[in-house]
Amino acid sequence: DVKVTQSSRYLVKRTGEKVFLECVQDMDHENMFWYRQDPGLGLRLIYFSYDVKMKEKGDIPEGYSVSREKKERFSLILESASTNQTSMYLCASSLKIGTGTYEQYFGPGTRLTVT
Amino acid sequence: RKEVEQDPGPFNVPEGATVAFNCTYSNSASQSFFWYRQDCRKEPKLLMSVYSSGNEDGRFTAQLNRASQYISLLIRDSKLSDSATYLCVVAIRDNYGQNFVFGPGTRLSVLP
Repeated sequence: DVKVTQSSRYLVKRTGEKVFLECVQDMDHENMFWYRQDPGLGLRLIYFSYDVKMKEKGDIPEGYSVSREKKERFSLILESASTNQTSMYLCASSLKIGTGTYEQYFGPGTRLTVT
Repeated sequence: RKEVEQDPGPFNVPEGATVAFNCTYSNSASQSFFWYRQDCRKEPKLLMSVYSSGNEDGRFTAQLNRASQYISLLIRDSKLSDSATYLCVVAIRDNYGQNFVFGPGTRLSVLP
């Protein structure tokens, strides 16, 4: 059974703080993703990674960076948190085999509040 | 035009009803299709993949029409536990890997 875990379920940070959100998957998936989900806006892709040390910008990368030093771990970094980054953050992973596409598995999410 | 569009909802149906959700996508190069369900304040979970020939899993039936770029999900004999938001997801393989595009979701409430 695929398991994707995130370091915190709930997080409260102050404006200007540096925030680290960690995601770990145990199924040896190559692809990992970070999304944020806001009411009325659905899921929006922030960054993704298709291999160790590889990263690509998604649709809304501004204000975020990522790190993938190990295959199982993908970190999202908010360099200087702002109130408009208050959101639910979801990590996901998926297989990469040949030219196919495979379903994503999500972590439980981190609800971040920036005050 | 949004890449993936779904019925706006919400759908409020009585227990036992049959309900159908529709989804359209704009990228004709899309390769894989999925339905996810998301409970309130929880993460999305895969409900079923959608295959070209259509597929069924118990009370759930998914259909794909590539020519019309249309996907559907049919739920028969609705249960209270089916209440959730249903997300249509379309995936395409590009130079960087996989690109998943999520629809906005359709909320279903099954009423006793």
